[in-house]
Parts: sequence; structure tokens; C-alpha cells
Amino acid sequence: EVQLVESSGGLIQPGGSLRLSCAASGFTVSNSYMSWVRQAPGKGLEWVSIIYAAGSTYYADSVKGRFTISRDNSKNTLYLQMNSLRAEDTAVYFCAKGQSPTELAFWGQGTLVTVSS
Amino acid sequence: QSALTQPASVSGSPGQSVTISCTGTSSDVGGYNYVSWYQQHPGKAPKLMIYDVSHRPSGVSNRFSGSKSANTASLTISGLQAEDEADYYCTSYTSSNTPCVFGTGTKVTVL
Repeated sequence: EVQLVESSGGLIQPGGSLRLSCAASGFTVSNSYMSWVRQAPGKGLEWVSIIYAAGSTYYADSVKGRFTISRDNSKNTLYLQMNSLRAEDTAVYFCAKGQSPTELAFWGQGTLVTVSS
Repeated sequence: QSALTQPASVSGSPGQSVTISCTGTSSDVGGYNYVSWYQQHPGKAPKLMIYDVSHRPSGVSNRFSGSKSANTASLTISGLQAEDEADYYCTSYTSSNTPCVFGTGTKVTVL
């Protein structure tokens, strides 16, 4: 059974950093398209980042240069390193597994990140 | 990359059909057959309902169907049921430097 479990988010001050993790089971992260999608309170879904099976990475313009997606194959875990956090980064962050960048068939439960002083 | 355009809300009575549109450009919806649709109930993770324009994942009701014409994709829910009340989002592959873009989202209300 495919499962994705995100780490806890939390309250972070503006300018701070946080690393989210997404522990996978039932499949191999390194063989999949793995994405991060976020949802600000009361707002719609926003695509954030993706890492392809081959290792290529892509980012939304809103997070480029501040966020880094990575994976640890030995731990079968996906990460999102978030630096220089801003109030507008406040959102529930979901990790997701897909057969393609748009076909996200499995999702984690989501974790809330709040950026505020 | 701008979000794909969806109507803010649609509604219908039980048993009726509703259609949600998702309008993009030739650089996304119109250029690729990689459009997906997601259903999201409050406080829950999204659920994949349609992929590659018109394909249903295993376990998704055949009351849900997808199509595309030019730069606009559509999701149709037939035989509307109370459990279909949720937010729906489209997404498309894009030729820009970001491979995926979501729609603005549509709230479906069952009257």
C-alpha cells in the first residue's frame, strides 16, 4: 500500500528556514515523479516543486532560489528545504507521488507551515 | 506561469449533470493531453479523478468524465450526488520553465 507521511510543520519567523520531509512506503521514491503542492488558508492549490525520477528538479517562480527539493534514496524520503520564508509561504504543504508531473495519484495528509512573527 | 481559469462555483440538483471548464493557452491545456482533475473535500488531501484529459483512475466513479477542446478542458459530473459537493481543480502540463500549473478551483454545490 502506498503511503506518504509528512513531518510536522510549525510556526516559523519571517526569514527563517524549515525542512519538510515526506516518508514514503509501498513504492520507491527514486523511481517516481515526486511533487510538493501547497494551499494557503482558504485558497486554492499551488504547485511548488517536482523532482523527476532522473533527478531533474523544477520550482514555481514564487519559491525559486529559496526552496530546494531533494530525496534520500536510502531512507525513501522526499524533502523540501525552505529558506528565507515569507508570510505568503504560510500554507498546508502536501507531498504527492505521480506517474507524471500532472498525474498525482497519491498524496500525503498535509502539514501546516505558518510564517509569522 | 498564470493559473488556469475555472469558474468560482457551479451548482446542480441531485441527479443532474454539471460541467466545470478549465481554460488555459496553447502553451498548456491546448498544447498537451496532460490535463488532470482533482476533487478536494474540506480539510482533506486532493484526490485524482481524471488524468490525461479523459482517463479515470481505478476506483473513480464513471459519473466523472473529462474532455478537451482547443485551450479548454472540461470535467462533467453526471447523476450529481451529495458526496460530490467539494472543490475541484484542474491541472495541466506546461511548456514553460515550470512543468505543472493548477487551475483556480471550482466549488461544486449540490442543491
